[in-house]
Amino acid sequence: DAGVTQSPTHLIKTRGQQVTLRCSPKSGHDTVSWYQQALGQGPQFIFQYYEEEERQRGNFPDRFSGHQFPNYSSELNVNALLLGDSALYLCASSLILGNEQFFGPGTRLTVL
Amino acid sequence: GENVEQHPSTLSVQEGDSAVIKCTYSDSASNYFPWYKQELGKGPQLIIDIRSNVGEKKDQRIAVTLNKTAKHFSLHITETQPEDSAVYFCAAPQWGAAGNKLTFGGGTRVLVKP
Repeated sequence: DAGVTQSPTHLIKTRGQQVTLRCSPKSGHDTVSWYQQALGQGPQFIFQYYEEEERQRGNFPDRFSGHQFPNYSSELNVNALLLGDSALYLCASSLILGNEQFFGPGTRLTVL
Repeated sequence: GENVEQHPSTLSVQEGDSAVIKCTYSDSASNYFPWYKQELGKGPQLIIDIRSNVGEKKDQRIAVTLNKTAKHFSLHITETQPEDSAVYFCAAPQWGAAGNKLTFGGGTRVLVKP
């Protein structure tokens, strides 16, 4: 079992650009959650996907959007990038009725 | 919503000593409390968790205690080793219409000195 995988590992963009990050959950998991982790802080919940629909959303603007595919993998899209979007973006996989969330290694996004 | 506070923010201990990290939460409906370890350049790794029907749980050198009345839970690491050096996060869930989202504490940077 490869665990939760994310791509790319690092990404550099400029203000105003758009970015897409990808996540594959652990085998057998059906739910993907995305978190943003600024330097020196704990992860902040962005949104959660189950059955290809957004089920819960944190306090993030609609510049942040996502998608879940039939194979349970997921994408996070961020439009009109701001300098403040620079962070580590983490994907966590789980079962919809389960408690445990397992995190991937993250994608480090730098916005210049 | 849920609010999780974590103390201390940094902790330096001598190898072999114990380390204790404490967290408080606000939502009395929370019933599951995980702890994550994050090493430099990596994602958070789930190291231990506890459910609300249990007061204490141990796994080798780590243990977690829960006081639901006071709404606080703690991580205890005994016989610390240099590889325990990392940032540790506590978290509490908030269940929505489907699934749960985690609210994290601010993290504790633990340094184990040889």
